[in-house]
Amino acid sequence: AQSVTQPDIHITVSEGASLELRCNYSYGATPYLFWYVQSPGQGLQLLLKYFSGDTLVQGIKGFEAEFKRSQSSFNLRKPSVHWSDAAEYFCAVGGIWQAGTALIFGKGTTLSVSS
Amino acid sequence: GAVVSQHPSWVICKSGTSVKIECRSLDFQATTMFWYRQFPKQSLMLMATSNEGSKATYEQGVEKDKFLINHASLTLSTLTVTSAHPEDSSFYICSASKTGTSGNREQFFGPGTRLTVL
Repeated sequence: AQSVTQPDIHITVSEGASLELRCNYSYGATPYLFWYVQSPGQGLQLLLKYFSGDTLVQGIKGFEAEFKRSQSSFNLRKPSVHWSDAAEYFCAVGGIWQAGTALIFGKGTTLSVSS
Repeated sequence: GAVVSQHPSWVICKSGTSVKIECRSLDFQATTMFWYRQFPKQSLMLMATSNEGSKATYEQGVEKDKFLINHASLTLSTLTVTSAHPEDSSFYICSASKTGTSGNREQFFGPGTRLTVL
């Protein structure tokens, strides 16, 4: 079955410290992978996406993610976290589109930033 | 860009009434739109897939007679919650994929609609 696992429900990071949010997926074909961020009461904002090519993907707000096929992972990283990064982060996977296919979301990781 | 809007952004209604939520793709045509539901501090759960000009495909466990979806044009899909009850209170998010093969790889999300049923 297709699924996305975000092992960490809640992570607290000191401001200025580095961040890594984990994402593992189970998918039968080449996946299309996404990271979204959601602030309380808000919609989703796309941070970055991977379709093909270079496995290290750069996104907005200084985020990057690396696709590792051998590990079925797509971990999100940021070298220096800012207090404004505190939010909910969702990893999602999609696949071959046939008249549109919905994304499968992980359960999310809540990021708290301490001063 | 690829902008998706939702209206209203929040709505409060009495139990037993119906509420309609609109999802519009503002600057592109969307063959397919998706409706998700999100409970507090939980992930997005797909409710249904809406294809322009045809009936929506509902996920298992979603009552199609309660959550009516209409996708009458390439830029508009509506979700109507009929005879709403407090347990229908949730955050409803739509997304749209662009018409065309390459564009279908990405979905563009609306800002969401907060529904509170009293």
